[in-house]
Amino acid sequence: DTAVSQTPKYLVTQMGNDKSIKCEQNLGHDTMYWYKQDSKKFLKIMFSYNNKELIINETVPNRFSPKSPDKAHLNLHINSLELGDSAVYFCASSHGQGPPNTEAFFGQGTRLTVV
Amino acid sequence: RKEVEQDPGPFNVPEGATVAFNCTYSNSASQSFFWYRQDCRKEPKLLMSVYSSGNEDGRFTAQLNRASQYISLLIRDSKLSDSATYLCVVNGGTNAGKSTFGDGTTLTVKP
Repeated sequence: DTAVSQTPKYLVTQMGNDKSIKCEQNLGHDTMYWYKQDSKKFLKIMFSYNNKELIINETVPNRFSPKSPDKAHLNLHINSLELGDSAVYFCASSHGQGPPNTEAFFGQGTRLTVV
Repeated sequence: RKEVEQDPGPFNVPEGATVAFNCTYSNSASQSFFWYRQDCRKEPKLLMSVYSSGNEDGRFTAQLNRASQYISLLIRDSKLSDSATYLCVVNGGTNAGKSTFGDGTTLTVKP
């Protein structure tokens, strides 16, 4: 029973392409997130959605567009991929958008390599 | 100044050693605190929450000092399997939905 699942696990693509990463959670959580972990292993939040509404949008290029069709799904579409987009992208979910019940459960990550 | 700061390490310790990590946070309105563990090429997973009174889970002890705005994680009797990166996480404050991760502290336990 996978709680938070992302696809694909690995993605290698050329500069300039457009790609999507999908995320689904079966935990009944109402908040979902996208994080980016770069080559230095720093984990940074990109977006957060609560009940399909965008609540956090950090300083992310607008080439990145999240879409949440329902509470259980949060997809990430990236246009015009650049070399610097190479990273591991983690989807996560939690119950509630604030403390105290904010343990986040992470997907296994999507390792994106732009060549 | 970063919102959440950790000593990146690496910490290299022998099995059986006691090791402590600290983490400081800048937002005094932060409301909840966690330690996550991330193994190489894996996703972060919750290790333990950090409560105001301090809490213990086996060999792991977490402490919170709100006055000085830091949290700590103490690992006693280190095992080889404790080798990982430990991430300090701070939630809440001015942006209730936001979890801010520290950059992680890398621990290697050697035989």
